[in-house]
Amino acid sequence: EADIYQTPRYLVIGTGKKITLECSQTMGHDKMYWYQQDPGMELHLIHYSYGVNSTEKGDLSSESTVSRIRTEHFPLTLESARPSHTSQYLCASSELGQGRDTGELFFGEGSRLTVL
Amino acid sequence: ILNVEQSPQSLHVQEGDSTNFTCSFPSSNFYALHWYRWETAKSPEALFVMTLNGDEKKKGRISATLNTKEGYSYLYIKGSQPEDSATYLCALTDSWGKLQFGAGTQVVVTP
Repeated sequence: EADIYQTPRYLVIGTGKKITLECSQTMGHDKMYWYQQDPGMELHLIHYSYGVNSTEKGDLSSESTVSRIRTEHFPLTLESARPSHTSQYLCASSELGQGRDTGELFFGEGSRLTVL
Repeated sequence: ILNVEQSPQSLHVQEGDSTNFTCSFPSSNFYALHWYRWETAKSPEALFVMTLNGDEKKKGRISATLNTKEGYSYLYIKGSQPEDSATYLCALTDSWGKLQFGAGTQVVVTP
């Protein structure tokens, strides 16, 4: 069973607030990812990391930022939340393979954000 | 960005019936295809990772086939049960090693 945790699961917040979505994994995985999903749509990669101090932007542009100071922790921050940020955010991790990775992703249960 | 298409978007199945649905993708520069099952209020879980043309994988009553030359994969559920109700996601590994997901097929199995 995967050991990757996200908090909060649900968050309703007003416009302009700063929020941090937490993601932690206990599997020692080097690769971590943040996906964003709107209802009925695909999961879109917004950030990823290949290890400590490594962060990259994904395919979907996002105003959020991430950090990777510890292997197990990959928080996502929105400095000033807006209604357009309302979405579900999924964190995932995988082992670091050689070359292009075919390893499976292990997902958290998601954080559903609503910005009023 | 790879175009990964899943069809149908949703389907309803009577308990005990078998069903299948499709994932289509560009056949050029194929590297790997993933299937995930995502139950409501839970996290997506990997079902299969497939890399070779003609691959067939099976887990219990669920199986998948892969045709990389024509760019499609089928997922089959034999003798559907209510616990099979979930959204089934297909994802393709792109040239950068990242996964590109389809929008999913939502399966509802009714008793």
